[in-house]
Amino acid sequence: EIVMTQSPATLSVSPGERATLSCRASQSISSTLAWYQQKPGQAPRLLIYDASTRATGIPARFSGSGSGTEFTLTISSLQSEDFAVYYCQQYNDWLPITFGQGTRLEIK
Amino acid sequence: EVQLVESGGDLVQPGGSLRLSCAASGFTVSTNYMTWVRQAPGEGLQWVSVIYSGGSTYYADSVKGRFTLSRDNSKNTLYLQMNSLRPEDTAVYYCAVDTAKYLAYWGQGTLVTVSS
Repeated sequence: EIVMTQSPATLSVSPGERATLSCRASQSISSTLAWYQQKPGQAPRLLIYDASTRATGIPARFSGSGSGTEFTLTISSLQSEDFAVYYCQQYNDWLPITFGQGTRLEIK
Repeated sequence: EVQLVESGGDLVQPGGSLRLSCAASGFTVSTNYMTWVRQAPGEGLQWVSVIYSGGSTYYADSVKGRFTLSRDNSKNTLYLQMNSLRPEDTAVYYCAVDTAKYLAYWGQGTLVTVSS
C-alpha cells in the first residue's frame, strides 16, 4: 500500500497571500495524484487530478505540480472561502487508493 | 447535474448491522465505478469499497468479509450492507463517482455510529 504524507499538518496564511501545501508518496506514482478540498460539515470536492489538471469549475488560483514522489498544491492568493482541509490521493496503486492525512489551512 | 444522496446512517450496537443507500441522479450508476469512502470523527479519508461497472467488488482489508457492496440498476442506487459492526466503523460514509482514478463527485455523507 502506498503511503501518502502531507505537510504541514496545519498552515496559517493571511488572506491574499500564497499557500503552498505538500504531499509525498512512499514510492513513485508518476502523476497519478488528485487534490481535494473539504470544508467543515461538507463532503470533499475534487480540485486537481493528474497532479496538475484543474477540475471543472475550479478557479485558476489553484494549481498543482509535481511527479514521482513529491507534489505541491499552490493557492496563489487566498480567498476567505479557501480556508479548509486539503487532501491528496494517489491512484497509481488502484486497490486501495490512499489519501494523505490532510493539511488544515487556517486564517493567520 | 450529478447528485448523490446517502441515507441509512444510524446509531447501532457493536455486532449489529446497517444498510446504507446512495441514490444517484444525473448519471447511470451501472455504467460507472462507484466507491465508498469513510471519515471517522476528526480524522482523514479512508477508502472502503468499490464496485466496477462490470459488477466486480473490492473491499478494504478492515471491512472485508463484513461489508457487501451492491447496486440496484432499476433504482439507480448503490447499497453498502454492513454486518458485524465495530466501534472503529464509526464514521461518516460517503459514496462517490469513481473515474477509475480520482473521485469526481461525492454525496453529502451519512453518519454511522457504533456504540453500546
